[in-house]
Amino acid sequence: GDSVTQMEGPVTLSEEAFLTINCTYTATGYPSLFWYVQYPGEGLQLLLKATKADDKGSNKGFEATYRKETTSFHLEKGSVQVSDSAVYFCALSDSGGGADGLTFGKGTHLIIQP
Amino acid sequence: GAVVSQHPSRVICKSGTSVKIECRSLDFQATTMFWYRQFPKKSLMLMATSNEGSKATYEQGVEKDKFLINHASLTLSTLTVTSAHPEDSSFYICSARYYGRLADTQYFGPGTRLTVL
Repeated sequence: GDSVTQMEGPVTLSEEAFLTINCTYTATGYPSLFWYVQYPGEGLQLLLKATKADDKGSNKGFEATYRKETTSFHLEKGSVQVSDSAVYFCALSDSGGGADGLTFGKGTHLIIQP
Repeated sequence: GAVVSQHPSRVICKSGTSVKIECRSLDFQATTMFWYRQFPKKSLMLMATSNEGSKATYEQGVEKDKFLINHASLTLSTLTVTSAHPEDSSFYICSARYYGRLADTQYFGPGTRLTVL
């Protein structure tokens, strides 16, 4: 079945550092890929998505590119802020994102220090 | 953006009792809702897909008689954990499908922490 593997944290960085959170996936078809973010006490929020190979999703300074050849969807940000501290989940769906349940990675806890 | 609520946010119950968790889409109608379970340091695991007006579809390994799902309206789905035991203690999260002209995505609730004593 489908699966998602992402680096486990916590990941601790200083403010303005460069961020990479690795995510790789296994799927039988051509899934859509997502990054969700969960701030303390809140529900998961969609951060960005990509629905086909070579697509780049971006939002709030975060980017991730759908790499079919390496089955990866790594999350990057050039300069992190304290407010980026949260748990980040990589996920995939066999549909565009709404029709099917999502397969999630374990989540990466990101801590940004001032 | 669209808002999904869950009630209660946390619940403690005795072993053998039943617990109901509500998931509501507050400002949109959702024909499909999903229930997930999250163990500590584990990913969210899809338990079931709930469709308004029809029976839920359960993932392999999820007991239908233990986790009763009812999606009686376009804004409400409920998960009832029947005869709860300590191993049912977990974090339960729902999501609701928003399907419009410009988007087809899921909005997540904040989760419900269940502790069974």
